[in-house]
Amino acid sequence: LAKTTQPISMDSYEGQEVNITCSHNNIATNDYITWYQQFPSQGPRFIIQGYKTKVTNEVASLFIPADRKSSTLSLPRVSLSDTAVYYCLVGANDYKLSFGAGTTVTVRA
Amino acid sequence: DADVTQTPRNRITKTGKRIMLECSQTKGHDRMYWYRQDPGLGLRLIYYSFDVKDINKGEISDGYSVSRQAQAKFSLSLESAIPNQTALYFCATSDLGQHQETQYFGPGTRLLVL
Repeated sequence: LAKTTQPISMDSYEGQEVNITCSHNNIATNDYITWYQQFPSQGPRFIIQGYKTKVTNEVASLFIPADRKSSTLSLPRVSLSDTAVYYCLVGANDYKLSFGAGTTVTVRA
Repeated sequence: DADVTQTPRNRITKTGKRIMLECSQTKGHDRMYWYRQDPGLGLRLIYYSFDVKDINKGEISDGYSVSRQAQAKFSLSLESAIPNQTALYFCATSDLGQHQETQYFGPGTRLLVL
């Protein structure tokens, strides 16, 4: 599994856009980038996955530059309910997912 | 996600007691996992199973055992509970998918060992 590095925490206010960058310098050719979200006292939840360029769904956008050594999860117009821990994972059909400490995003009113 | 359920949701037990945490899924997935999460830390894999006849140790299996009774059921047992097994336990199932595996987690079981 490629090692990932992401900020420990980020603060934001309601209505703002939150961007979380994950570094993965050792990403392999076959690896995909996946983000999970975990609310307090709940299990992680898959939110988005991508390989290159940009992926968007109803929850977030994922931006991946051409060299794929980093990726940015973008949460548009956050609300208080977006307060959670966000995990960046990199791999290719690896059952041994590696959830590190993640990034704790705190949204304030 | 109601597709993966865990029982009990909360449990208090005493040192030395044997307890079982149960997980059921209706997603039809072959792969199932047990993780533990300690405050401020990520998830650590305890055991995983790729099908009913397959059981594998994860990174922290000591002090734990599992049983895969059916495709839909995967139980975790603490043979003799100790205080440092106090944690939040998650069961997950997975869909191999086309690219990176996606795991679906249960709501968790909060365990306190006194």
